[in-house]
Amino acid sequence: GIQVEQSPPDLILQEGANSTLRCNFSDSVNNLQWFHQNPWGQLINLFYIPSGTKQNGRLSATTVATERYSLLYISSSQTTDSGVYFCAVEQGTGNQFYFGTGTSLTVIP
Amino acid sequence: ETGVTQSPTHLIKTRGQQVTLRCSSQSGHNTVSWYQQALGQGPQFIFQYYREEENGRGNFPPRFSGLQFPNYSSELNVNALELDDSALYLCASSLGAEAFFGQGTRLTVV
Repeated sequence: GIQVEQSPPDLILQEGANSTLRCNFSDSVNNLQWFHQNPWGQLINLFYIPSGTKQNGRLSATTVATERYSLLYISSSQTTDSGVYFCAVEQGTGNQFYFGTGTSLTVIP
Repeated sequence: ETGVTQSPTHLIKTRGQQVTLRCSSQSGHNTVSWYQQALGQGPQFIFQYYREEENGRGNFPPRFSGLQFPNYSSELNVNALELDDSALYLCASSLGAEAFFGQGTRLTVV
């Protein structure tokens, strides 16, 4: 199956700092989503972004499908941004996702 | 709020037992997928149901089975539980391309 690699695996930031999370995938995809998993396990949708750029408040994402990578930008980080960020990709049309191993983000005050 | 709810939130079972996990999807979402997330790992696809029929399966043995009902609810059944089945089980529903996840059921097998 498709391989999904996320980097960095762990990230510690001071509150207010900016960060970039990366997701590389090994084959072409039809669907790519970014999720934030909170400490209780809930996966929160951040972006549905198979290609192009989107912004939502302090977060933005860019997917370059032809080069098989996606980036998630977090600006002016807050302690509530802490958690694990997952990139998930899907090759067909049925939401059968392959997930990366995640980036664990800790934002300290 | 994703509109996808799972029950129970936590569960402890003994090795060899059987377990049923439940998921209630958003109204109209005709596709439901189940994932297993081991500690420190990303979720792994178990299987998917579309309009009450299995529509894809990951690398999981037949003792993992499921059902989808007309009211957009679904079940994940696991027979002959093993210690390695201890994990967070996530349900996701979708109508189009974007999937929405429930809060998960944390299963511990002792």
